[in-house]
Amino acid sequence: GAGVSQTPSNKVTEKGKYVELRCDPISGHTALYWYRQSLGQGPEFLIYFQGTGAADDSGLPNDRFFAVRPEGSVSTLKIQRTERGDSAVYLCASSPTGGSYGYTFGSGTRLTVV
Amino acid sequence: DQQVKQNSPSLSVQEGRISILNCDYTNSMFDYFLWYKKYPAEGPTFLISISSIKDKNEDGRFTVFLNKSAKHLSLHIVPSQPGDSAVYFCAASLNNDMRFGAGTRLTVKP
Repeated sequence: GAGVSQTPSNKVTEKGKYVELRCDPISGHTALYWYRQSLGQGPEFLIYFQGTGAADDSGLPNDRFFAVRPEGSVSTLKIQRTERGDSAVYLCASSPTGGSYGYTFGSGTRLTVV
Repeated sequence: DQQVKQNSPSLSVQEGRISILNCDYTNSMFDYFLWYKKYPAEGPTFLISISSIKDKNEDGRFTVFLNKSAKHLSLHIVPSQPGDSAVYFCAASLNNDMRFGAGTRLTVKP
């Protein structure tokens, strides 16, 4: 596609439930990033994929968070046993090869845990 | 540990005047700095960047200045236009580790 697509755009879930957030990067981009943006904060790094592998997952806050990119394109961020503190906008970005330039962000998924 | 700080949450300027957005960082190893612009309900979009080997980069109305000794960078927008009203994020990176500031909401009044 022309840009980075994230679905759903909004997700409301009950505390304790499991959610999946999807990111469809720009075709051909090998690098994919997940960020989380809480209210009044800047984007906070979660995980970085180069191809199918997670090159850096040091930003995942705990083991309830997991992400996959099985075929090196679409990625899914999975959150188990959601907590109210997980409420945030989850942003995905892709870039052609990695590195700090050339990031294109999606519009994000606003997750609300009630 | 907030490595990138934008101490002004908001800034209001008159159309046609200069907007100056500031950013400070703590890690002297950062080698690339970027500014992103964000409209509501959209993802951040890349605006302008600068490598640590430079002290200035200009692109049309936008200029980024880097002062490595002070660990400070700034974004100048001149002349400011109402369409520039958005949240501006400063980012600093080393390899694939990019850290963002909390953002500054710029309002340009007609």
